[in-house]
This record gives sequence, C-alpha cells and structure tokens, in this order.
Amino acid sequence: SQQGEEDPQALSIQEGENATMNCSYKTSINNLQWYRQNSGRGLVHLILIRSNEREKHSGRLRVTLDTSKKSSSLLITASRAADTASYFCATAIYNFNKFYFGSGTKLNVKP
Amino acid sequence: DVKVTQSSRYLVKRTGEKVFLECVQDMDHENMFWYRQDPGLGLRLIYFSYDVKMKEKGDIPEGYSVSREKKERFSLILESASTNQTSMYLCASHGGDSASYEQYFGPGTRLTVT
Repeated sequence: SQQGEEDPQALSIQEGENATMNCSYKTSINNLQWYRQNSGRGLVHLILIRSNEREKHSGRLRVTLDTSKKSSSLLITASRAADTASYFCATAIYNFNKFYFGSGTKLNVKP
Repeated sequence: DVKVTQSSRYLVKRTGEKVFLECVQDMDHENMFWYRQDPGLGLRLIYFSYDVKMKEKGDIPEGYSVSREKKERFSLILESASTNQTSMYLCASHGGDSASYEQYFGPGTRLTVT
C-alpha cells in the first residue's frame, strides 16, 4: 500500500521544546502534506511540499522531504500547549484525486 | 473561508438500519471524499467523487455507497449498518487546482452502531 507511516506514534515534550515527527512512504509522489487533528475534530491542513522541493517553512513549522529515502519530517519549534494534537502525513500520487494518510503521531505538549 | 459541513456530529443507529451521512462544501470544489478513521489505522478512503454523478471506490468501499447529485453535496450511505461500521467518518473536498492539493475537512461524524 502507498500509505504513509508516521514515527513516533506518540511524543510527549515540555512547552518550549522542539517536536520532530517523521513520515515514510512507499511509492513516487506528487506532493506530501501534513495535517493536524485536535481531539475528536476534523483535520486541518498545515503545509504542502512538492516532490521537487526539499524544505519548506511556515511560521514555526519546518518540513523536509527526501524523495530518495521516501521520507519527510515535520519540525515544530518552540512548541506550545496548543500544539497538542495528532499529526498526519498524506501523500498524493500522480493521480491527484487520491490521498493516502498515515496513522498519525500523537503529540502532547506539557505546559 | 472554505467550509465543509457534515450533517451530524454524533449519530447512534441500530444494526440493519440504512444510514445517510451528508456532506456539503461551499467552495465549488470538484473533488469530494469520504474517509473513516479508526484508532491505529489512520484515515482510510471509502469513496471519492471528482464530478457530479461520478464516483470511484477507495480502499474500503464494501458496505458503503455514495451519491453526488449536486456539486456541493456528497452523501455516504450505509445500506445496512453493522457494528463494525462504528467509526469516525470524515468528509473532505479539494478544488484539484494544480497549484494546491490541500484538502478541506469537515468536523466529522462519530457513528455508533448498536
């Protein structure tokens, strides 16, 4: 399956620390996206990185993509308690109508 | 702001009932999706639609059907609900613009089948 896999499954850090989550996938992609889900809610798009990009920033978020290793990482700097949520990577292959989500990393930021 | 709404946040149905989950988006998006989310399994695609009256099966279509009569509305139908369909159901849409594949999600419907 194309499904992305996040690592770690759960992460607990103190407020102010950085949080790093990783995503691996299996086949060639058009782009990779990261989403956040607060408990019991829908997903919110965070950032999209295309297959020809290596790094992208948005506020406190930094995403890297290594297509040779078929992996991506999401770094949240100076984390806050409000960052507590589950984070998912989603890959879009060249049939752009389909997206494959991983099972997520559950981040807990302790105040 | 893009808005994707789902008809219910919580739903309790009995085994064997026919269940309709409705999703409406207000951004004139061509593409709409239904996912189910279960602990440890992430989001799994049930069906998607890329145009009115057009649909394609996702990874787990068994036990489900869909309807898209109007561009803004995409319905998921459980023909005869079973307990293994107890789950969180998420609807999403995107415009398919090559510059942006971002999906917009509804708040989800937590369905319990007893």
